[in-house]
Amino acid sequence: SQQGEEDPQALSIQEGENATMNCSYKTSINNLQWYRQNSGRGLVHLILIRSNEREKHSGRLRVTLDTSKKSSSLLITASRAADTASYFCATDASSGDKLTFGTGTRLAVRP
Amino acid sequence: DAEITQSPRHKITETGRQVTLACHQTWNHNNMFWYRQDLGHGLRLIHYSYGVHDTNKGEVSDGYSVSRSNTEDLPLTLESAASSQTSVYFCASLGGLKTEAFFGQGTRLTVV
Repeated sequence: SQQGEEDPQALSIQEGENATMNCSYKTSINNLQWYRQNSGRGLVHLILIRSNEREKHSGRLRVTLDTSKKSSSLLITASRAADTASYFCATDASSGDKLTFGTGTRLAVRP
Repeated sequence: DAEITQSPRHKITETGRQVTLACHQTWNHNNMFWYRQDLGHGLRLIHYSYGVHDTNKGEVSDGYSVSRSNTEDLPLTLESAASSQTSVYFCASLGGLKTEAFFGQGTRLTVV
């Protein structure tokens, strides 16, 4: 079964608005990562947050991690049409080194 | 620049045929993974390897096999292709804990 579940499954916003997507997972983790996938392409790494970190920023991206609730959120500020893509969270469990992905959030940013 | 490449990018095969998808990385990563991506399921792990001669089953390994004879390559074999294996397949490599994964561009496989 999937380790991570993203919410919402799909999100449509206007350019300039912020987009927030959430990820919940099941087991203890070493770190949590967010990836982006443009249609028909491979996944590209966006940001990694360690299990002992609570918040991390990278450009217009802000990631939070709450290990007590086993959840993370990805905030994209001042969205652009080019942010249109699917976004996935991925976790590597404390017991191993393999990455397990959620089902993803499809983000559409309207110009 | 280091990279990870998959071949072929597209493949159509018949039910029952054996098919091998190639994955080659020049990152010198020990950890390599194969995922399949289907609508509504996200990415599901098929097989993975932590190094030469090491292979492990993922959550959807039935009907698939891998072998790791060197660091650079992890070919995925469908022993007897079934229509349920029509999917997009992604290979990824990972340097280790707390590092990012690098993905290939994917192979779209259609089993008819």
